[in-house]
Amino acid sequence: NAGVMQNPRHLVRRRGQEARLRCSPMKGHSHVYWYRQLPEEGLKFMVYLQKENIIDESGMPKERFSAEFPKEGPSILRIQQVVRGDSAAYFCASSPLSRTEAFFGQGTRLTVV
Amino acid sequence: GIQVEQSPPDLILQEGANSTLRCNFSDSVNNLQWFHQNPWGQLINLFYIPSGTKQNGRLSATTVATERYSLLYISSSQTTDSGVYFCAVGTGNQFYFGTGTSLTVIP
Repeated sequence: NAGVMQNPRHLVRRRGQEARLRCSPMKGHSHVYWYRQLPEEGLKFMVYLQKENIIDESGMPKERFSAEFPKEGPSILRIQQVVRGDSAAYFCASSPLSRTEAFFGQGTRLTVV
Repeated sequence: GIQVEQSPPDLILQEGANSTLRCNFSDSVNNLQWFHQNPWGQLINLFYIPSGTKQNGRLSATTVATERYSLLYISSSQTTDSGVYFCAVGTGNQFYFGTGTSLTVIP
């Protein structure tokens, strides 16, 4: 029973490049959440998705960031034209239903150079 | 959004000691979880505890939802307990995380 799988674990991008972060939820989970953790800080909500739907993106920056959770395949968090301030750990979580226990992946650590 | 305050921010324990971590939140919630972020950055679920008391080995947790706080008890601490402990409260579509308690257990 695999947990939430995120890849890559580490990602280095030059300023201006695109970053694509992937998240495969736990089996049977149809709710996916993305969070960002800056160094020495707690996690901040970015977006909540269900299959083919963005339910709440109130934590997403208005520009350069987008997320999707297609009918088939993993959820993708996409950051276009990355800047140094995007360097952080990005965590994905999944749950079987909304407002129930969520399980987190190991995170993707993005470094922008 | 909901404010989540955790205390103490930092804690150093001798191996074998007990400790209590506290989480206060500013509004009614329908979900509360405790996590341990280990030194490798992985978030490990400890408790899903929107109310009541649960125990798992040396760890236990109590949430008093009506008074808007939760406590995490660690007994007979071990060096492997080191890391950051986060409380996260949920309402609507998201969790709100506290800033964590950084625990160091020394041999």
